[in-house]
Amino acid sequence: GQQVMQIPQYQHVQEGEDFTTYCNSSTTLSNIQWYKQRPGGHPVFLIQLVKSGEVKKQKRLTFQFGEAKKNSSLHITATQTTDVGTYFCAGSGGYQKVTFGTGTKLQVIP
Amino acid sequence: NAGVTQTPKFQVLKTGQSMTLQCAQDMNHEYMSWYRQDPGMGLRLIHYSVGAGITDQGEVPNGYNVSRSTTEDFPLRLLSAAPSQTSVYFCASSRTGQGEAFFGQGTRLTVV
Repeated sequence: GQQVMQIPQYQHVQEGEDFTTYCNSSTTLSNIQWYKQRPGGHPVFLIQLVKSGEVKKQKRLTFQFGEAKKNSSLHITATQTTDVGTYFCAGSGGYQKVTFGTGTKLQVIP
Repeated sequence: NAGVTQTPKFQVLKTGQSMTLQCAQDMNHEYMSWYRQDPGMGLRLIHYSVGAGITDQGEVPNGYNVSRSTTEDFPLRLLSAAPSQTSVYFCASSRTGQGEAFFGQGTRLTVV
């Protein structure tokens, strides 16, 4: 079955440093989504990427979908304490099953 | 606008007991799904539904049943609770299976 791995599992950064999490799928994805989950909360949708090589930006966040549509990355520039949480990618190879990545837990040290 | 509502928020069960986790959405979404979240394992798909009357198994379906008699509701039944089912359960809905998913607040279940 489809597997989606994320690295790193944990990341501690000093406030103001950059952060990147990587997502790798065992199969080609039709699209990929990114979610953020604050401690004690539920996942909240951030963005969806559909096209091969697509890059999207949301303020300090940059999302990229690989050319082969099997990997993706999320980069945060100049982290802030409000960025704390776990970031998940989620992808599907078709219409039905959406597989979530294992998540990257980000801690920001003030 | 309520979005996705899950009940209860917390539950403690004894081994062997059964219970139903409720999930309702008011966005007229066709696609609904249940996930369990365990430390270090992300969100694992239990069951999903692409519309009323249609359900299918996800990655970890054993020990769980679902039904979808209406578009709005997608209950998850634990048939005979086991300690391995201690987890946080999330229900989610989306317009299709490909787009933005909206999650409920989660149910924290402990089986003793």
